Amino acid sequence: QKEVEQNSGPLSVPEGAIASLNCTYSDRGSQSFFWYRQYSGKSPELIMFIYSNGDKEDGRFTAQLNKASQYVSLLIRDSQPSDSATYLCAVSNTGGFKTIFGAGTRLFVKA
Amino acid sequence: DVKVTQSSRYLVKRTGEKVFLECVQDMDHENMFWYRQDPGLGLRLIYFSYDVKMKEKGDIPEGYSVSREKKERFSLILESASTNQTSMYLCASIPTGTHGYTFGSGTRLTVV
Repeated sequence: QKEVEQNSGPLSVPEGAIASLNCTYSDRGSQSFFWYRQYSGKSPELIMFIYSNGDKEDGRFTAQLNKASQYVSLLIRDSQPSDSATYLCAVSNTGGFKTIFGAGTRLFVKA
Repeated sequence: DVKVTQSSRYLVKRTGEKVFLECVQDMDHENMFWYRQDPGLGLRLIYFSYDVKMKEKGDIPEGYSVSREKKERFSLILESASTNQTSMYLCASIPTGTHGYTFGSGTRLTVV
């Protein structure tokens, strides 16, 4: 059974701090890695994807991938209350097709 | 922007009813998916389709079927609704060769 594991949280950080969200996966054949943000009562929206080892930055978001450790993380710099949401880690071995999702980490950013 | 539209936000159905959930996307995507989302379990794939009239089972297809008669429309059918099918149902689409889903707004189904 291919799995994607995330700490369910909640993770609570003060406004302006760095939020660090972590994810591990079991399938060594995984090629594509995604982070989705889901606000309460809404559907997930894609915020980051990464395919190669290392870091990928997009604004306040940085995705980090370590395939040897089967570990992917999302850093949110200068966290804002509007970042409060559930963050879903997702993994695919087929370029995004037929993706496996983690259960998500709830993030609270305190003003 | 790509738009994926699910016909209902909330549905309440009785046990044993046949239930149809509709999903339409407006960007000519080849691939469409149905997931259900439950607390603590994350999103689980029910069925997907990579072309018109083509369908593949996901991880939890039991009790469900799908129909894709037109490229833009992918329907999920609960043959005989049961209380354990109470869930949030999410439709998603993605074009071939690109990455990351676009999700619809979801249908929260309650079976009583």
